Amino acid sequence: GIQVEQSPPDLILQEGANSTLRCNFSDSVNNLQWFHQNPWGQLINLFYIPSGTKQNGRLSATTVATERYSLLYISSSQTTDSGVYFCAVVWGSNYKLTFGKGTLLTVNP
Amino acid sequence: NAGVMQNPRHLVRRRGQEARLRCSPMKGHSHVYWYRQLPEEGLKFMVYLQKENIIDESGMPKERFSAEFPKEGPSILRIQQVVRGDSAAYFCASSQTDYSNQPQHFGDGTRLSIL
Repeated sequence: GIQVEQSPPDLILQEGANSTLRCNFSDSVNNLQWFHQNPWGQLINLFYIPSGTKQNGRLSATTVATERYSLLYISSSQTTDSGVYFCAVVWGSNYKLTFGKGTLLTVNP
Repeated sequence: NAGVMQNPRHLVRRRGQEARLRCSPMKGHSHVYWYRQLPEEGLKFMVYLQKENIIDESGMPKERFSAEFPKEGPSILRIQQVVRGDSAAYFCASSQTDYSNQPQHFGDGTRLSIL
């Protein structure tokens, strides 16, 4: 099956800092989504981005499908950005999302 | 979370009881997926359903677990004779079509605790 690797596994930032989270995948994908799981466990859909670049406020994402990676940028981080960020993909003839192990982000005041 | 409704948010059961988790997809969506997040683990696919049909149950344990998505009403994930290892967060997602390039929209999850 497909491998989805996220880096770094953990990241600690001071409020106001910028960060880049990476997701590498081992095969062509039909669907790629970024999620934020907040400290209350809710899974927030950030981006649907199988290719190209999208921006939503302080967050943006870029997927380079031909090179099999995606990046999530967080600018001017806030304490509410803390939580786990997951990348997930659909590949081949599957319908299911395969998740990476996530990046645990801690933003300190 | 884009309208996927899961209930209950928290469910406590004793070992040997049954757990029933409900999921109402977004309006206009007829494709439902269930995922499980065990403690300290990532999210794993369990089952994919369309109305009245199970399309892919490759991620669901063979025993004690079942899922349905009837013509009317929510999708139900049923766990019989629960054990401690069933304690997890169970997430439901829905999509508009069966094309694999469609985004899946997630509910807030049901946290199942087994005493």
